[in-house]
Amino acid sequence: EDKVVQSPLSLVVHEGDTVTLNCSYEVTNFRSLLWYKQEKKAPTFLFMLTSSGIEKKSGRLSSILDKKELFSILNITATQTGDSAVYLCAVENTGTASKLTFGTGTRLQVTL
Amino acid sequence: GAVVSQHPSRVICKSGTSVKIECRSLDFQATTMFWYRQFPKQSLMLMATSNEGSKATYEQGVEKDKFLINHASLTLSTLTVTSAHPEDSSFYICSASYGYEQYFGPGTRLTVT
Repeated sequence: EDKVVQSPLSLVVHEGDTVTLNCSYEVTNFRSLLWYKQEKKAPTFLFMLTSSGIEKKSGRLSSILDKKELFSILNITATQTGDSAVYLCAVENTGTASKLTFGTGTRLQVTL
Repeated sequence: GAVVSQHPSRVICKSGTSVKIECRSLDFQATTMFWYRQFPKQSLMLMATSNEGSKATYEQGVEKDKFLINHASLTLSTLTVTSAHPEDSSFYICSASYGYEQYFGPGTRLTVT
C-alpha cells in the first residue's frame, strides 16, 4: 500500500521566516510526487516532481525530490501571511493512471 | 488552464435522504475523474476512480452501493450519496485527469443532520 508521511504536522512562523516542509513516501511504482496548497477549498497545484535532484521553483516556493532516499522538501522563503494554508504532498503511481495518495498535510500559519 | 467545477458547493440534508454531487470539466475532456473525501483536519482520501462509460473502481472500504458514481460523458461525473447519515458529513472533492495532471474541483461540503 502506498504511503506518504509529512512533517511537521503543523508549524507557526513569523512573516519573513523561511520554512521547510518534509514529505517521505513509499510507493510501489513511482511516477511523480506532487505538492498542493489547500486553503479553505480544494487543493491548488504547486509542483510536480519526477526527476531526482532537479529543483522546481516558483517565486518564493521551491521543491526538490530525492528518489533514492524517497523524500521531497518544499521550501518557502520570506513567508507572508497569505502563505498560511495546509500543504499537501501526494505521490502518483504508474499502476493506475493518475491515482494519487496524499499525506496528512502540514498546516502552516504565518503570523505578523 | 483546465477548470473543474462542482455543484453544489454546500448542501445540508436530512438523515436517510440521498444527495447528488456533480463534477464537470469545463474546458477539457476528462476520460478519468476521481472522487475524494476529506474529514476535518485530515487529508484527502481517494474514494473511487471513475472512467467514462464504464463502472467506477472503488477503494477498499468504500461502499459502492452507498456511493453511486456515474460518468456518463467526458465532462461530467456524478456522485450520489444514498441514504446519507451524519457520519457521511464531509468535504467531497472531485478531480479530473488531463494529460499527466489532475485538476481539482472546488469541493462540496455535505452536512447530514
